[in-house]
Amino acid sequence: DAGVTQSPTHLIKTRGQQVTLRCSPKSGHDTVSWYQQALGQGPQFIFQYYEEEERQRGNFPDRFSGHQFPNYSSELNVNALLLGDSALYLCASSSQGLAQTGELFFGEGSRLTVL
Amino acid sequence: DAKTTQPPSMDCAEGRAANLPCNHSTISGNEYVYWYRQIHSQGPQYIIHGLKNNETNEMASLIITEDRKSSTLILPHATLRDTAVYYCIVRRKGSEKLVFGKGTKLTVNP
Repeated sequence: DAGVTQSPTHLIKTRGQQVTLRCSPKSGHDTVSWYQQALGQGPQFIFQYYEEEERQRGNFPDRFSGHQFPNYSSELNVNALLLGDSALYLCASSSQGLAQTGELFFGEGSRLTVL
Repeated sequence: DAKTTQPPSMDCAEGRAANLPCNHSTISGNEYVYWYRQIHSQGPQYIIHGLKNNETNEMASLIITEDRKSSTLILPHATLRDTAVYYCIVRRKGSEKLVFGKGTKLTVNP
C-alpha cells in the first residue's frame, strides 16, 4: 500500500519563475492538504482540497494556488517565485479530513530552492 | 487555535521512558491535543491525539491534565530511532489545519 507520494523530490528555480508540485494521496484517501516548511521551522498550512474544491486556506498569498483532480491527486502551483519561497513543501492526505479521522499522513516533501 | 509551549530540546537514554511536556494553558473545550514527530529529512508522522481523556496506542501514551492546560507525551521505551522533533499541536474542532510550532528536539542516546 503506497503512502503519500510527492514529485519532484528536489528542484531549483530562479526568482520570478513558476513551479508546480505534485502529490498522490495514500490509497483510499480523498482529502489533500499542503504545508510549507522553512528551514528550522515547523510546517505551515497552505490549503486543503476536498472534492476538487479548496476547503480551507492558511495565510498565504494568491501566488499559491492548487488543484485537485478526480482521482484525488493534487498540484500546488506557486507563481512569481521569491527567495523566501525556498522551503520543503509537504503534502498530507486523509479520508474526509481531520474531522473524520484525526490523522494526517504526510509525504516526504518536495525541496524547492529559489535562487 | 490555542498556542503551545514546548522545551526546545530534551535528551533521553535508550531504553528509558521519554516524557515530553507541552503547555497549552489557553486551550478551549472544543480543541484537541495532537502529537506528531518528524525524523530528519522525512515528513511529519502522526503519533496520537486526545480531547480530555488519557490515550494510549502502540507508539505512545498521552496524558492530559484534568484542567487540560498541559499534557505529556510518553514514549515508554525510547530507541535511537525515536530521535526526532516532536510537535505538540492544538486543533480546534472543525478546523482542518494543524498549527505547528518549533517542537522539541528529542535526542535518544545509547
